[in-house]
Amino acid sequence: EPEVTQTPSHQVTQMGQEVILRCVPISNHLYFYWYRQILGQKVEFLVSFYNNEISEKSEIFDDQFSVERPDGSNFTLKIRSTKLEDSAMYFCASSEGDRGYGEQFFGPGTRLTVL
Amino acid sequence: DAKTTQPTSMDCAEGRAANLPCNHSTISGNEYVYWYRQIHSQGPQYIIHGLKNNETNEMASLIITEDRKSSTLILPHATLRDTAVYYCIVTYSGGYQKVTFGIGTKLQVIP
Repeated sequence: EPEVTQTPSHQVTQMGQEVILRCVPISNHLYFYWYRQILGQKVEFLVSFYNNEISEKSEIFDDQFSVERPDGSNFTLKIRSTKLEDSAMYFCASSEGDRGYGEQFFGPGTRLTVL
Repeated sequence: DAKTTQPTSMDCAEGRAANLPCNHSTISGNEYVYWYRQIHSQGPQYIIHGLKNNETNEMASLIITEDRKSSTLILPHATLRDTAVYYCIVTYSGGYQKVTFGIGTKLQVIP
């Protein structure tokens, strides 16, 4: 069964450094998303991406964050100048779009630890 | 999206049916009810969705009341692996829809 994959599973970085989290969405999906979950808190929407551009972004997704689909398979989240409060699980998701009913399929997540 | 209300936690004996309720009294006519779950620290997992008819798949059944103001997710034979946080979400279907997660119901399946 097709699934969303994410790398790395755990990323440790120093405050102020840049990190890139990578995702491979399900191959025939059209919409891509990033969510994050701070330990013990709710899963929060960050951004959605369709047709090579951002569809919607939350207040969390400020200039520190960017997303890119550099090729036909990868979807990346870049966090510049990381802060302690960026420590969280980051989940990538994808959905079929108009051909489906909007259900999203999530990856296993990347645990980001900022020291 | 319509607001949903779920109990914070529930217990269920292993092998028994787990019935998870959700209230969504402000649901509009073309909004769907979706259920997701999150097993500890894993990515959320889509379970099932429905508009007004009852739905069943290999994971669960979804019962939606006739007035659509509430629904129940049924796991027919709960196992220990079903211990998770279950989220009831009301939103429009198709195309792009971000998922707005609430607190959900923490289901504990007890041996």
